[in-house]
Amino acid sequence: QVQLVESGGGVVQPGGSLRLSCRASGFTFSSYGMHWVRQAPGKGLDWVSFIRYDGSNKYYADSVKGRFTISRDNSKNTLYLQMSVLRAEDTAVYYCAKDQSGSCLDYWGQGTLVIVSS
Amino acid sequence: DIQMTQSPSSLSASVGDRVTITCRASQSISGYLNWYQQKPGKAPKLLIYAASSLQSGVPSRFSGSGSGTDFTLTISSLQPEDFATYYCQQTYSLFTFGPGTKVDIK
Repeated sequence: QVQLVESGGGVVQPGGSLRLSCRASGFTFSSYGMHWVRQAPGKGLDWVSFIRYDGSNKYYADSVKGRFTISRDNSKNTLYLQMSVLRAEDTAVYYCAKDQSGSCLDYWGQGTLVIVSS
Repeated sequence: DIQMTQSPSSLSASVGDRVTITCRASQSISGYLNWYQQKPGKAPKLLIYAASSLQSGVPSRFSGSGSGTDFTLTISSLQPEDFATYYCQQTYSLFTFGPGTKVDIK
């Protein structure tokens, strides 16, 4: 069965950096695009970034462009999100999700909480 | 950028009720519209993709319709486990979620 397990969340000061990881299993990771989606406390879903199956193309929400970098290591079945110049408004649960042919997000991890606070 | 709106933002309903949630895109997105269900403290779950296709394992009481700018999610007979927040998402140009519709118990 498909499993996505995020890690790397925690408390970080404004202006700081953090790297999230998402370990995938149960499917051929190297064949599918992957997303990061976040959800601030009590708020709705906010798409963050997408990377194609081979890492050839990456896309970002305007709110994180230039500060966040998505990457993947297909040999380790792992997706990453490098976050820098963090702001209080980046505080959220960050989910990784598997893409289904660019049409939908069909499997999601349980999320990892990032708190940006001094 | 494509903006998504949902109505209502919340609704109260009883078990057995027929529930309809509407999603509107700021421009035509053809049929590139998905619906997700999220329960408190849990990850979202895909219900409907490509506007009207039921995801495997999702009960048939859920259905989706629409194309262009206007879409609908219908729950034909609300069950206790359906009380949750529902989000639409467009995948026509990047990926944008609607603000959500919370369905709670009347």
